[in-house]
Amino acid sequence: KQEVTQIPAALSVPEGENLVLNCSFTDSAIYNLQWFRQDPGKGLTSLLLIQSSQREQTSGRLNASLDKSSGRSTLYIAASQPGDSATYLCAVRSYSGSARQLTFGSGTQLTVLP
Amino acid sequence: EAGVAQSPRYKIIEKRQSVAFWCNPISGHATLYWYQQILGQGPKLLIQFQNNGVVDDSQLPKDRFSAERLKGVDSTLKIQPAKLEDSAVYLCASSFDRDRGREQYFGPGTRLTVT
Repeated sequence: KQEVTQIPAALSVPEGENLVLNCSFTDSAIYNLQWFRQDPGKGLTSLLLIQSSQREQTSGRLNASLDKSSGRSTLYIAASQPGDSATYLCAVRSYSGSARQLTFGSGTQLTVLP
Repeated sequence: EAGVAQSPRYKIIEKRQSVAFWCNPISGHATLYWYQQILGQGPKLLIQFQNNGVVDDSQLPKDRFSAERLKGVDSTLKIQPAKLEDSAVYLCASSFDRDRGREQYFGPGTRLTVT
């Protein structure tokens, strides 16, 4: 059964810092990995989708990497802004078990202080 | 392009009452998902539809939860009777098809409080 862990659970940084959010998964047989952002009281917004054959994806100030063999992904946020404050969720779609499912981590709650 | 629509946005009910949630996916999306997100946790898949057929409902508590997707477009999720532990945000998502490489797009969710 796939398990996804995100560390840290919460993070507070001053504006302008570069930061890294971590995601690990137990079963490396995955189709893809997706990073989402969730604002309070709102649904999930997809940030980046990395296919299993890819090593990284970039969108603006965001860069996500994937190391399938070690079961790890990182989300790098450059020059953080207060508007980046949100919960960031990592999700993997696996071959094993119910292969149609996305398995989510519990998220990292990010606060960027002005 | 309009996103995934859900209603109501908030609902408060007493335990043992029933409740229903509605979802309208993105136009043209054949696959629809219902997730339950308990506070402090990631979303957990309850049920997945492909058009109007159920693909995966292995984590749906079928003694109290039911869902349907008539005509392969809108969907409703019902809880009857509700328990305190059903308090959560219920998220609906859709994707173009079942291809495992496809992105899922999420609605704003319905926050359910059971008292």
